[in-house]
Amino acid sequence: DAGITQSPRHKVTETGTPVTLRCHQTENHRYMYWYRQDPGHGLRLIHYSYGVKDTDKGEVSDGYSVSRSKTEDFLLTLESATSSQTSVYFCAISGTSGGQTYEQYFGPGTRLTVT
Amino acid sequence: GESVGLHLPTLSVQEGDNSIINCAYSNSASDYFIWYKQESGKGPQFIIDIRSNMDKRQGQRVTVLLNKTVKHLSLQIAATQPGDSAVYFCAENGDDYKLSFGAGTTVTVRA
Repeated sequence: DAGITQSPRHKVTETGTPVTLRCHQTENHRYMYWYRQDPGHGLRLIHYSYGVKDTDKGEVSDGYSVSRSKTEDFLLTLESATSSQTSVYFCAISGTSGGQTYEQYFGPGTRLTVT
Repeated sequence: GESVGLHLPTLSVQEGDNSIINCAYSNSASDYFIWYKQESGKGPQFIIDIRSNMDKRQGQRVTVLLNKTVKHLSLQIAATQPGDSAVYFCAENGDDYKLSFGAGTTVTVRA
């Protein structure tokens, strides 16, 4: 398995509280991604990073922010959690370079419940 | 926007038979495609990929076929085993090294 870990693996939080999810990689890959997975929607991209301090929005970025201060860590923050953000969150990494897209490898996921 | 979709949400297959999972894509500019397998409670796992300069690629017990004329992608699993029970996603590349994922096909293997 690719060296990707996510923490926490499970979290229950209350509406309105801030939440930070962490993704850590040991592969030294340049690209990192945050997805959410919900029934009927498949995997949807929240934010992604193409280098340290370089991030951009995905298709469902509202209510989320990210930071990448080191190659190995990509943080996803919910500034004020809402029930609609109850989901399973996956981090992915990719060694994409040289103008070609390559496969993404996924972490084990974080199950977040907002009550 | 462009999207990737799968023809059938579920597929039931007898153990030992071959499975075929289909995917239709709409972005004719896509040049890279991937199949992922996701078991319950786990993250998606890379199975096999194919670039648009190929129409077939084989792995261990799996074959991916790409028909660019009709924008169709398929995954064939030979001699399906109980461990093949999972959700299978196809994905295509988009802008800025992003991938677009289909909704998935749930494969159930009958003993």
